[in-house]
Formats: sequence, C-alpha cells, structure tokens
Amino acid sequence: QQQVKQSPQSLIVQKGGISIINCAYENTAFDYFPWYQQFPGKGPALLIAIRPDVSEKKEGRFTISFNKSAKQFSLHIMDSQPGDSATYFCAASRQAGTALIFGKGTTLSVSS
Amino acid sequence: DAGVTQSPTHLIKTRGQQVTLRCSPKSGHDTVSWYQQALGQGPQFIFQYYEEEERQRGNFPDRFSGHQYPNYSSELNVNALLLGDSALYLCASSTIQGWDEKLFFGSGTQLSVL
Repeated sequence: QQQVKQSPQSLIVQKGGISIINCAYENTAFDYFPWYQQFPGKGPALLIAIRPDVSEKKEGRFTISFNKSAKQFSLHIMDSQPGDSATYFCAASRQAGTALIFGKGTTLSVSS
Repeated sequence: DAGVTQSPTHLIKTRGQQVTLRCSPKSGHDTVSWYQQALGQGPQFIFQYYEEEERQRGNFPDRFSGHQYPNYSSELNVNALLLGDSALYLCASSTIQGWDEKLFFGSGTQLSVL
C-alpha cells in the first residue's frame, strides 16, 4: 500500500515558468513533510520541509503549499531554470528523525 | 566538511552471495539510516541506527542486517542475495535540530546481482 502518492510522473516546463508537483498522503499520523531533489548519480538532497500546522512555507524560489484537510501538499518552483532539471521526491514521516516514506518521484525537465 | 561517504560506489555480485556496504556519516551526526532505491522509484526505508542499536526497521527481511560502530559509521549486510536486491543503496545521516530532521544522503552504492 503506497502511503504517499506523487504526480505527475514527469513534467516539462519552459525556462522561467512555474513547476508544480503534487503529493497526497493517507496516514494522518504523518507530521513532517520534506521535499528532496535528486540528480543522476547522486543521493537525494533536502530542498524544503513543512509541518502540518503551517499552510505554506517559502525558501527562495521553492514553496510548499499544505492542505491538511485534503491530505495534500505540493511543491512550486518559481522561475524554473535548466539547472532545476532533476527528479523530485515528496516524503512524509510520523516525526522528524523517523523513517521517511517517499513518493515515486517526478522527473522535471526545464527547457531553455 | 565531508558529507556522507559510502563505499564502494559500485558492486557486482551473484545470487546467493553476501555483501557488505559501508557508510561514514556527516561530521556531528549520530544517527544513520539506510534506504534502498530501485530504478525509477523512491527510496524505501530499510532501518535506522542510533547509539549502536537498531532503532527502527522497515519492511525488509532478516537477510538485511546492519551495524553501527562507536564512531557512528555503519554497515549494511545483505545475505543470500536475490536478483531483486539489485538497487541503489543509500545511507543517510542526521541529527535532529528542533523539529527539522536535516537528513543528508550519500551518493549511494549501486549493487547489481547477476
């Protein structure tokens, strides 16, 4: 049973556009929702994270929007750049420091 | 400051063999987690070590075992390898700062089982 569902599987965005990736979760005990970025041949790197008591968090060009009632959260990448081309994973855990449940990933391609 | 380092980077084994993967955590981190990432999938949690004890375990068989040493480095052992064990094995280290886990991943060990 997949506990974190991520969409779309792949995404093509023009340079300067907005990239939006969505995730839905099932377990209401989840309390920590990070997003990771992974380049080929590298491990995932933490981009930004949020807790359910906050509806939005912004760090630079990256924003997480969180809808607790819908059990959904999304990553918005503003002014997308070719260097943002990578695979993005949403994840969730019951609390910071415990096992992360990852989505299946979204491959983002930003065309110049 | 070196990040999380894993060795070896690539490994080829045959079915039935045993393998040991190694991980050195980021300086100052006391917790090590291991994840398995199949091709085209998200990482799956195997287990976590803290103070040399397995603190949490995912849905993996007993063929997967681990160890953490006093210097916080860790090993992942897989016995009786199956073709389905072929994957990228990721080590991640962390230390909790408030509510934010700050999990740092290594570049992984690519294991191929033939």
